[in-house]
Amino acid sequence: AQSVTQPDIHITVSEGASLELRCNYSYGATPYLFWYVQSPGQGLQLLLKYFSGDTLVQGIKGFEAEFKRSQSSFNLRKPSVHWSDAAEYFCAVGAQSGYSTLTFGKGTMLLVSP
Amino acid sequence: DTGVSQDPRHKITKRGQNVTFRCDPISEHNRLYWYRQTLGQGPEFLTYFQNEAQLEKSRLLSDRFSAERPKGSFSTLEIQRTEQGDSAMYLCASSDLLSGNTIYFGEGSWLTVV
Repeated sequence: AQSVTQPDIHITVSEGASLELRCNYSYGATPYLFWYVQSPGQGLQLLLKYFSGDTLVQGIKGFEAEFKRSQSSFNLRKPSVHWSDAAEYFCAVGAQSGYSTLTFGKGTMLLVSP
Repeated sequence: DTGVSQDPRHKITKRGQNVTFRCDPISEHNRLYWYRQTLGQGPEFLTYFQNEAQLEKSRLLSDRFSAERPKGSFSTLEIQRTEQGDSAMYLCASSDLLSGNTIYFGEGSWLTVV
């Protein structure tokens, strides 16, 4: 069975500082990997996705993520955090074949301090 | 393209009542998903449609839950005899072959059972 672990429940980062959110997955084959962001009371917005090819993927809002097969990780990074980035971030894994139902981690809440 | 639309956005109901949520997917998306998200958790898969056919149901989908997609366009999720444990956000999402396995989510429907 597939699973996703986001080890950090909360992270506080100063505005302008760099950010890295951790995601580890368990999946028996080559996965599809996603990062979504959720503002309070809202749905999920796709930040970026990895299907194949270049292991460093670029997303919206200046985010990037790196797929490391050897570490079963897909960490999300941003070089300089803005106050508007404060939200909850979810990592998800899905199957590459056929349709894909996603398995999500429990999320990491990002707090941005002035 | 207006994205995935869900209605109502919020619903407060008394225990034992029935509730129904509606989802309108992105136009031309033939795949539709329902997820449930409780506080502090990531979304959990409930059920999946390809066109009008319901192809997968999670064990989370008890007998009190029923989902339909009668014409392969919009979908409804009905919860009968609601219980307090049903309080959650119900998220609808859609995708199609052209979007690969990228799943786009709606804003969600909040259910509070009192």
